[in-house]
Amino acid sequence: TAGITQAPTSQILAAGRSMTLRCTQDMRHNAMYWYRQDLGLGLRLIHYSNTAGTTGKGEVPDGYSVSRANTDDFPLTLASAVPSQTSVYFCASSSQEVEQFFGPGTRLTVL
Amino acid sequence: GQNIDQPTEMTATEGAIVQINCTYQTSGFNGLFWYQQHAGEAPTFLSYNVLDGLEEKGRFSSFLSRSKGYSYLLLKELQMKDSASYLCAVKDSNYQLIWGAGTKLIIKP
Repeated sequence: TAGITQAPTSQILAAGRSMTLRCTQDMRHNAMYWYRQDLGLGLRLIHYSNTAGTTGKGEVPDGYSVSRANTDDFPLTLASAVPSQTSVYFCASSSQEVEQFFGPGTRLTVL
Repeated sequence: GQNIDQPTEMTATEGAIVQINCTYQTSGFNGLFWYQQHAGEAPTFLSYNVLDGLEEKGRFSSFLSRSKGYSYLLLKELQMKDSASYLCAVKDSNYQLIWGAGTKLIIKP
């Protein structure tokens, strides 16, 4: 079982360009999350989805959008990237079990 | 505001015991989590506490005091592979995880 996959693994993006980070899980988890992780800071929640068809804003949603068309996929889109969005992005999922399971992350650099 | 505090970095010796502390101030409490994160990798779940007391799982134990807003992770018989960052997170009243910045644990031979 793959668990959670993310693509791409890393990306260098010019400021002003758009990009979609992909996340797919095969565990049939209802809830999915997008976090960013920056040096010296804890994981910060960008957006979440408690079930397919619904999404919510986290702590740092500005500049990002998400969709949840089905249970497995939860893409994160940057409409017009800025250098402050340089970060490592983690997708995670959970069900009724307690813990969240994380994907391997996408390292994004915006120049 | 919501806040999770844990030491930035700790150093310990292989074979020894280390305790990593975490204090929290959050809007509501629905459980405290510890995750391990090796450099360049994703966080992986270690433990979960929702009631006061000690939870033991092999070489790792986690303690919670809700009245004090305090938890610790205890690692025994340290191995070199335990060199990693340890993340404390609290599930708040909205059932979202609030994360500490993590404690980088360095194990020396």
